[in-house]
Amino acid sequence: SQTIHQWPATLVQPVGSPLSLECTVEGTSNPNLYWYRQAAGRGLQLLFYSVGIGQISSEVPQNLSASRPQDRQFILSSKKLLLSDSGFYLCAWSFRGPQIPYEQYFGPGTRLTVT
Amino acid sequence: AQSVAQPEDQVNVAEGNPLTVKCTYSVSGNPYLFWYVQYPNRGLQFLLKYITGDNLVKGSYGFEAEFNKSQTSFHLKKPSALVSDSALYFCAVRDRLAAGNKLTFGGGTRVLVKP
Repeated sequence: SQTIHQWPATLVQPVGSPLSLECTVEGTSNPNLYWYRQAAGRGLQLLFYSVGIGQISSEVPQNLSASRPQDRQFILSSKKLLLSDSGFYLCAWSFRGPQIPYEQYFGPGTRLTVT
Repeated sequence: AQSVAQPEDQVNVAEGNPLTVKCTYSVSGNPYLFWYVQYPNRGLQFLLKYITGDNLVKGSYGFEAEFNKSQTSFHLKKPSALVSDSALYFCAVRDRLAAGNKLTFGGGTRVLVKP
């Protein structure tokens, strides 16, 4: 079976500091990978998605970036955090296949507080 | 562009009563539709999806959803709610032509089941 991991679970960082959140998937190959941000316990905003190593699509302009150095590893980064970057960050994966409506499976999330 | 609306921020229901969470969608073609549930400080859990065929879809934990093409709706239902069903529920849609298996989520509906 497949498993998705995210770390850290919680993070408190000062404004202007760098950020690195990591997501890994086990038990599958060539997944699609996604980063979402959830503000105030409500709606999800898709930040980035990736259909393969080194292939990143950005959905929203911001001071965040994403990388996929390995097939099942997805990293969310920032060089300088803003207060508005606070939120609950969720990583998700799905099987790959453009014509098949695969559901996405979510990790446990990282709670980021920028102070 | 695809979009999802969940018109109710919160639904209150007594334990044992039927539960309905509403969702309407907008896509350019035929949709794929999904429901997820989120418990506090956790990732989203997949409940069910509609692809094609029977308009009534059965999912996890006794939930079901009814697809209505003429009303562009995909309401989530449970015949008898449990206190443990109290959570945040998200409807999501994918346009069949969307790249990367991307989903668009509604704003979420908080369900409170009272004993």
